[in-house]
Amino acid sequence: AQSVTQLDSQVPVFEEAPVELRCNYSSSVSVYLFWYVQYPNQGLQLLLKYLSGSTLVKGINGFEAEFNKSQTSFHLRKPSVHISDTAEYFCAVSDPNTGNQFYFGTGTSLTVIP
Amino acid sequence: DTAVSQTPKYLVTQMGNDKSIKCEQNLGHDTMYWYKQDSKKFLKIMFSYNNKELIINETVPNRFSPKSPDKAHLNLHINSLELGDSAVYFCASSFRGSTEQYFGPGTRLTVT
Repeated sequence: AQSVTQLDSQVPVFEEAPVELRCNYSSSVSVYLFWYVQYPNQGLQLLLKYLSGSTLVKGINGFEAEFNKSQTSFHLRKPSVHISDTAEYFCAVSDPNTGNQFYFGTGTSLTVIP
Repeated sequence: DTAVSQTPKYLVTQMGNDKSIKCEQNLGHDTMYWYKQDSKKFLKIMFSYNNKELIINETVPNRFSPKSPDKAHLNLHINSLELGDSAVYFCASSFRGSTEQYFGPGTRLTVT
């Protein structure tokens, strides 16, 4: 079974500062990796995904993530955050063979401080 | 144009009642899902339906039953509600085998 760990439950950061949200997964097979964002009182929106190819993936709103197979990590980064980035961020993994079953981490609450 | 919609947005009810949450998608997807997000924000899949066939059924109590009248709808029926059922329930949809799921805005269920 696959699992996803997001070690940081809350990350406060000042506006225009860089941020990294950590995600580690446990799986003995190849995986697809995702980051979703949940703005207050809204559903989840896909930020970016890694399926194959380049390990550096660029997503919407200036976010990017890097797949590191040796460290089984998929950390999310943004060089300069805005107030509007305040939200809950979820890392997820799925099995390429089944595709549809997602396993989510417990989320990281990013708060951008003016 | 709302891609995945859920009704109601909020639902407050008493223990023992039976309730339903509706989900509709207008994306032409053939697979729909229900997720439960608990108070600690943990998101876990409950069901998925493809062409009216249940293809994932995690360890969910049989008080929960998904019903799909057509491939654009997947409703969630809950019988004999318990306090522990309080959570936010998300509907999602995708094409079977696709890596991307589209989520609805969620339904916050509170059982008192």
